[in-house]
Amino acid sequence: QVQLVQSGAEVKKPGASVKISCKASGYTFSTYAFHWVRQAPGQRLEWMGWINADNGITKTSQNFQGRVTITRDKSASTTYMELRSLRSEDRGVYYCARVGVSSSSLDHWGQGTLVTVSS
Amino acid sequence: EIVLTQSPDFQSVTLKEKVTITCRASQNIGTSLHWYQQRPDQSPKLLIKYVSQSFSGVPSRFSGSGSGTDFTLTINSLEAEDVATYFCHQSTSLPSFGQGTKLEIK
Repeated sequence: QVQLVQSGAEVKKPGASVKISCKASGYTFSTYAFHWVRQAPGQRLEWMGWINADNGITKTSQNFQGRVTITRDKSASTTYMELRSLRSEDRGVYYCARVGVSSSSLDHWGQGTLVTVSS
Repeated sequence: EIVLTQSPDFQSVTLKEKVTITCRASQNIGTSLHWYQQRPDQSPKLLIKYVSQSFSGVPSRFSGSGSGTDFTLTINSLEAEDVATYFCHQSTSLPSFGQGTKLEIK
């Protein structure tokens, strides 16, 4: 079955970077795209960006002012999201999600990775 | 940026009640509207894609309707396992999500 397994919780200091991984299994990795979504405490889900797992083309949200980089490693069936220059307001749970076949809905989600930013 | 506004934010419901959640888009999004369920301490799960298409394995009591800017998620005969927060999501070139509707049992 389709599984997206994310890396574990992170605690970072302000100004640092975090890189979260999302390993896919149960299907052909390069057939689908991935989105990254943030859920900050008490806030709505926030779209961060997406990547075409086949060709690596990405698009990221302007709301993160160029602090986000999304990559993938086809050989490892893994996508990564790096967020730089962390601030306290970047605290939250970060999810990867797979885009469905011939679809733009998010049909499978990772378990989420909690990022805490604290001095 | 397209803003999705859900109503209500919170609803206290009884078992077997029919529940209706609405999602209004700030501009026309056609049928690029999807619904998700997020149970406490879990990841979101896809329920309905493209307004009214049920995702595989989703119980038939969940249905969706609408087009353009106004959309509805309906849960017929609420069950205890439906206690969750429900989100709408629009998938145009810049995706966005509604603020969520939290359901609890009275």
